[in-house]
Amino acid sequence: DARVTQTPRDKVTEMGQEVTMRCQPILGHNTVFWYRQTMMQGLELLAYFRNRAPLDDSGMPKDRFSAEMPDATLATLKIQPSEPRDSAVYFCASGLGPTGPPTYNEQFFGPGTRLTVL
Amino acid sequence: AQSVAQPEDQVNVAEGNPLTVKCTYSVSGNPYLFWYVQYPNRGLQFLLKYITGDNLVKGSYGFEAEFNKSQTSFHLKKPSALVSDSALYFCAVSRRGGYQKVTFGTGTKLQVIP
Repeated sequence: DARVTQTPRDKVTEMGQEVTMRCQPILGHNTVFWYRQTMMQGLELLAYFRNRAPLDDSGMPKDRFSAEMPDATLATLKIQPSEPRDSAVYFCASGLGPTGPPTYNEQFFGPGTRLTVL
Repeated sequence: AQSVAQPEDQVNVAEGNPLTVKCTYSVSGNPYLFWYVQYPNRGLQFLLKYITGDNLVKGSYGFEAEFNKSQTSFHLKKPSALVSDSALYFCAVSRRGGYQKVTFGTGTKLQVIP
């Protein structure tokens, strides 16, 4: 049963520390999405990749956030330095592009990383 | 720009009664439309999608959704609600062709009362 995996599942850190979240997309998927979910803002798209290249990262605060795909099996989201307002659940999702058959842009979500910045 | 509106933050329904969770969208051209469900402390799970053809789409766990092009709506429905259906439901839209991002609504919390 192919799944998106994310590590760590929970992270508690202090303000100013660097945080790295990792995602392993489903093997064979060529699009990867990073979302942030908070009670106040709901689900926000931070960035997405096609074939490991960033396609849109306009939703990501550039001064402290960075997203990369070192290889097809790993996507990373880094926050440096972290701030209390970054506390949220961060989801990674993967999919098959282009938008059309067979999956028509259906996204497969990981379980999320719950980040708490004190 | 594309957008999704879920006008209800929460929907309460008695177990056994029919349920409807509302969604309207805005996108240029013909859309792909999706419903996802999120249970507590879990990621979003795909429920169903509209691609083309029959306006009534059937999905997982007895859910269905009706596409209405003239009203730009894609409401989620189920004939008989279960307590286990209580969760957060997200409607989403995507344009067709190329590599498109998916825009999600703000989510509707469904509470099924025993």
